[in-house]
This record gives sequence, C-alpha cells and structure tokens, in this order.
Amino acid sequence: DAGVIQSPRHEVTEMGQEVTLRCKPISGHNSLFWYRQTMMRGLELLIYFNNNVPIDDSGMPEDRFSAKMPNASFSTLKIQPSEPRDSAVYFCASSRTGANEQFFGPGTRLTVL
Amino acid sequence: AQSVSQHNHHVILSEAASLELGCNYSYGGTVNLFWYVQYPGQHLQLLLKYFSGDPLVKGIKGFEAEFIKSKFSFNLRKPSVQWSDTAEYFCAVNPGANNLFFGTGTRLTVIP
Repeated sequence: DAGVIQSPRHEVTEMGQEVTLRCKPISGHNSLFWYRQTMMRGLELLIYFNNNVPIDDSGMPEDRFSAKMPNASFSTLKIQPSEPRDSAVYFCASSRTGANEQFFGPGTRLTVL
Repeated sequence: AQSVSQHNHHVILSEAASLELGCNYSYGGTVNLFWYVQYPGQHLQLLLKYFSGDPLVKGIKGFEAEFIKSKFSFNLRKPSVQWSDTAEYFCAVNPGANNLFFGTGTRLTVIP
C-alpha cells in the first residue's frame, strides 16, 4: 500500500499566483481531509469529503481557497490568488468511513513570497 | 465550545525520564480517542487509539494511554523516554462524526 500521496512536496511561488495541491487517498478509503499546519495556528481542518462530496468546508479560510474531489482517487486544493500568509504545510489524510483512523500524507510545504 | 485540550505546549525531559502528556476533551457521549506523533519534518502517524474495552491502551514504541471517562481525559504515558521520541504529539477525538478534532499539540524535546 503506497499510503496517501501528495504532490508537490514543496512549492515556492510568488504572491498572486495560483497554487494547486494534489492528493491521492489510499485505495478503498472514502473520506478525504485537507489540513493546514502552521506554527501560529497548529493543525487546522480546512475541508473534508465523504464519497467525493464536500461535507464540511467551514475551515476554508477565504474564497481564495477551493477544493475538489472529481473522483474517489484524486483531490485538489487550490489557492487563487496566493498570499504570503498562506505559507504553511498542507496535509491530506484519508480514512474509511466509520473507521475513524486517518492516514496522513507527507504534506506539501508551501512558501508564498 | 467543544474542544480538545492539551495543556502542555512544550515538555523537555532527559533520557530515561518518565513522560505523561495530558489530553482532555469536552465532547459528551461515546468518543473514539487517538494519539498521533509527528517527528521533525514528517507527517502525522498514529501512535495508539481507543474505541472501547480496556481503558488502558498500548501503542507502538512503548507508549500507552489511559481513558478515564469520568475525567474526560486520555493521557499519554511512557515510562522511559528516548532521544528518538523527540517529536510533536497530538491528541484527537472523534465524537461520532466522520472527522477528528485535534488538540494544539505538545512538543516533546528529549535531551540525551
């Protein structure tokens, strides 16, 4: 099992640019979660999907953030336009519904200059 | 508001010292409880979990946690820490929904 796969692992971009983060959950998992981790705010849940449907996006900070899950094996988190305060590590996690245990990907370290 | 509290933000111990990290939650009813560990520069990994049964749960690397329902607590313990235990530790609670609610984390530094 390859685990949760995220790409890219590192992203450096300039303010105003569009950023797209990608996640492939573990096969057979039907829940997917996007988290953001910073020193100031710790680990924050941004949004989660169940069976490809967004269930709770109350953690998405602003309209600049959007997430999609077009199929069971792929999700994207997009920031447009990006700002320096978006710099953080973004984690994707997946789980089987009802199993509760979440498996985390390696994260994407985003730096917005 | 319902929450998960980890009161220790940073703990510094010498090798071989005993460890206890506190976790309290405010959700009522049946909950599932987790401890995750994040080693420097890495992602979160599951240390142990409690769903039901024996309230003393043993996890990987010699860690254990005790669920005390009356205290709404799920403290993490290890009798003798090692330098390699230096990491950030997160308590998480599932109160019946599909997602987890994480504490703010406790950074553990073990001095060799």
